[in-house]
Amino acid sequence: QSALTQPASVSGSPGQSITISCTGTSSDVGTFNLVSWYQQHPGKAPKLMIFDVSKRPSGVSDRFSGSKSGNTASLTISGLQAEDEADYYCCSYAGRSTLVFGGGTMLTVL
Amino acid sequence: QVQLVESGGGGVQPGTSLRLSCAASGFTFTSYGIHWVRQVPGKGLDWVAVMFFDGSNKYYADSVKGRFTISRDNSKNTVYLQMNSLRAEDTAVYYCARDGLAESTAWLFEYWGQGTLVTVSS
Repeated sequence: QSALTQPASVSGSPGQSITISCTGTSSDVGTFNLVSWYQQHPGKAPKLMIFDVSKRPSGVSDRFSGSKSGNTASLTISGLQAEDEADYYCCSYAGRSTLVFGGGTMLTVL
Repeated sequence: QVQLVESGGGGVQPGTSLRLSCAASGFTFTSYGIHWVRQVPGKGLDWVAVMFFDGSNKYYADSVKGRFTISRDNSKNTVYLQMNSLRAEDTAVYYCARDGLAESTAWLFEYWGQGTLVTVSS
């Protein structure tokens, strides 16, 4: 399975909104609504932020939202805050009972 | 609260074996699937394997198929990852993670352990 494609880095100023894309294929993102997003701060374990494309787990800020169009899923963070600075990874079910991650995106809050 | 604690990591030589453990608590262990995910230091995440909640099915990434085996001991609330024929490219932090759906598989990682480092080097 090939990794999903994410931008290596994105940045934004506090209060702004940013969007991170996650491009797959018709074999993964395009077919299954099983895309999840994870936030990882340095030296920490990842944290689930979005699942099933656009659902938020309990306790995750509503500033985080997810969507999908065709083979591309997106994570949008509105009202950027300093604590949002982290690495973000998308993950999709890829059929044949396997999962595939994106390469990760480093978010910098300017 | 849900807790996952990995252990068993360390430094080994190529071609040798290692068994990782993931001790779970704070939830009904037999109701949830457990995944293993690895991360080369400074790099991205890589799904390794999953065992379904009832132990009926196990699936692996192509990169580890035939070398790694996932298993669970319900009496100890523990999942294992037996890693054989280790290669330098298996060097990574290994995380266990609980799936998000009871008595099914949601194909996501709702809770994570803190990870255990495996270093394969001669």
